[in-house]
Formats: sequence, structure tokens, C-alpha cells
Amino acid sequence: GEDVEQSLFLSVREGDSSVINCTYTDSSSTYLYWYKQEPGAGLQLLTYIFSNMDMKQDQRLTVLLNKKDKHLSLRIADTQTGDSAIYFCAESDGGNTGKLIFGQGTTLQVKP
Amino acid sequence: NAGVTQTPKFRILKIGQSMTLQCTQDMNHNYMYWYRQDPGMGLKLIYYSVGAGITDKGEVPNGYNVSRSTTEDFPLRLELAAPSQTSVYFCASSPQNPTNEKLFFGSGTQLSVL
Repeated sequence: GEDVEQSLFLSVREGDSSVINCTYTDSSSTYLYWYKQEPGAGLQLLTYIFSNMDMKQDQRLTVLLNKKDKHLSLRIADTQTGDSAIYFCAESDGGNTGKLIFGQGTTLQVKP
Repeated sequence: NAGVTQTPKFRILKIGQSMTLQCTQDMNHNYMYWYRQDPGMGLKLIYYSVGAGITDKGEVPNGYNVSRSTTEDFPLRLELAAPSQTSVYFCASSPQNPTNEKLFFGSGTQLSVL
């Protein structure tokens, strides 16, 4: 079945770049997503990429997609303490019900 | 701008008790979802609904039931609570096929079964 894998923890210094990686298994996924979860809150969509794209940039965020290796990454430039959160990678299940398959989440810790 | 509202925020249940987690959205979204989040495990889909009167099982439906009598409400029922159901529960909604639309999440219900 579909599976999405992420590393569990990343620690960076304020001002550095953060790169969060994700691998997925379902090659039929049309879209891949990055969600952010702040403490005590629900998930919020950060960005998404269509499967026929290699890269998408949105201000400090850069998403890279390698379809051959089924690898997705999220780069946050000039990481701030407010970026500390859990980041979830997700893929659509390829159907028409909108079900998303989520990774385990990567906790990003930003040290001042 | 209420969005997706979940109640309660916290609850402690004894084994065997039952309860209903409430979820309501005021955005007239057709698609609604219940996920549970366990530490280090990501979110797992419990049940979902593509419109009023239509529900279907997700990845981990055992021990839960849902109903969707209105577009706005999508309650999740636990009939016989078990410790394995200790988790954080998130309700989400989307206006249409969310393959290209984002999910809107509620703030979650933290449930402990002791």
C-alpha cells in the first residue's frame, strides 16, 4: 500500500536553511503536500506541488520533487524561531475521495 | 471565520465508556474527514464523507462510527473506549475533491482512555 516516510527530527540554528526530506511510494499521486503543525493546533497547508513539476518556490519555501526516486523535500531559507513546528509530507491517494496519506512528521527545532 | 470546530478539546475516558467527538464546519464543504494522530506515526484516516448521507471507512475504522446527516456536522462515535484509542483526533474538511484543494483542519481533540 501507499507509504510516506520522513525523518523524525531536525535541529538548525536561526538564520540557517532547513531541509526536510520525504519519500513516498504511490507513483500515481497527482499532488504532494507539505503541512505545518504548531503546538496544540491542527495542520495548516504550507505548500503543494503538482506531480509534473520538479520545483516550486514560494517566498522562503522551496519544494523539490524527484519523481524517479519518489523523493520530496522542503527547504526553508533563513529559518526563524517561528518556523519551529512539526512538518508533514502528504500524498494524495490517487482516487477521487481526497484522502491524503501522511508521513510521520518531522519536528523542526530552531535554536536562537 | 469559525472554519472547522471540534469539541471537546480534551477528554479522559474510562475503558468501556462511550463518547462522541463533535465536528462542525461553516464553509459548506462537501468533503469531511476524521484522522487520528499518534506520536511518531503521522495521521491515519479513520472515516471520511464526500457529502451528506455518505460515509466510508478509512485506514483505521475499527472501534469507531460516524454519521453525516447534514453538510455541516460529522460526529465521530466511540462505543467501547479502549486504551488503544488514546490519541489526538483531527477533523478536516474540503470544498470539493481536495486533490488540488487544501484540507482545513480543526484544532484537535486530545483523548485519553485509562
